[in-house]
Amino acid sequence: RKEVEQDPGPFNVPEGATVAFNCTYSNSASQSFFWYRQDCRKEPKLLMSVYSSGNEDGRFTAQLNRASQYISLLIRDSKLSDSATYLCVVRSGGSYIPTFGRGTSLIVHP
Amino acid sequence: DAGVIQSPRHEVTEMGQEVTLRCKPISGHDYLFWYRQTMMRGLELLIYFNNNVPIDDSGMPEDRFSAKMPNASFSTLKIQPSEPRDSAVYFCASSAELAGVGEQYFGPGTRLTVT
Repeated sequence: RKEVEQDPGPFNVPEGATVAFNCTYSNSASQSFFWYRQDCRKEPKLLMSVYSSGNEDGRFTAQLNRASQYISLLIRDSKLSDSATYLCVVRSGGSYIPTFGRGTSLIVHP
Repeated sequence: DAGVIQSPRHEVTEMGQEVTLRCKPISGHDYLFWYRQTMMRGLELLIYFNNNVPIDDSGMPEDRFSAKMPNASFSTLKIQPSEPRDSAVYFCASSAELAGVGEQYFGPGTRLTVT
């Protein structure tokens, strides 16, 4: 089983839709979780950290489910500009090396 | 503030040639990472440094790859000799502190094509 797994998609949704992605991780000792966004032919950029209690930033909500070992990203009221690849990142307690998932592609259409 | 700076942005070279990629991390960041991204394998960590010292190079594919960080503001990734399978986008990233090492700032990448 890969350390960090994501559905590659693409998720194809209309503007205004709500879309959610999940990311599963295999190491139960994982401590830090993040979502990054990568636009086509650009570098990954931090979107948000994922806290145990969950967190929200505008239209974006991230949640952590330790029991089932997954994190999620919910995007409400999708915009065309949300079209990108969303990378899940997990860092285990014993390692300072963050592990990136392969990413989930989102396409928001008019 | 300038972000992570990488050069060159694009590199096209012939098989067998030496390639040197350069990175300037964000000032004050004490972690530096080199990644490679391909469609097939996604984003792979090659090596990372802490305070200019290489900590983990287990991701370096083979002896043809080497990385150095002679000072806090400069790092290089060298491929010698290059092969077509090395074609990828190479990203450098930096991070400020141990606890926040998942919060990395990436450079724009170097798109390498080896023919």
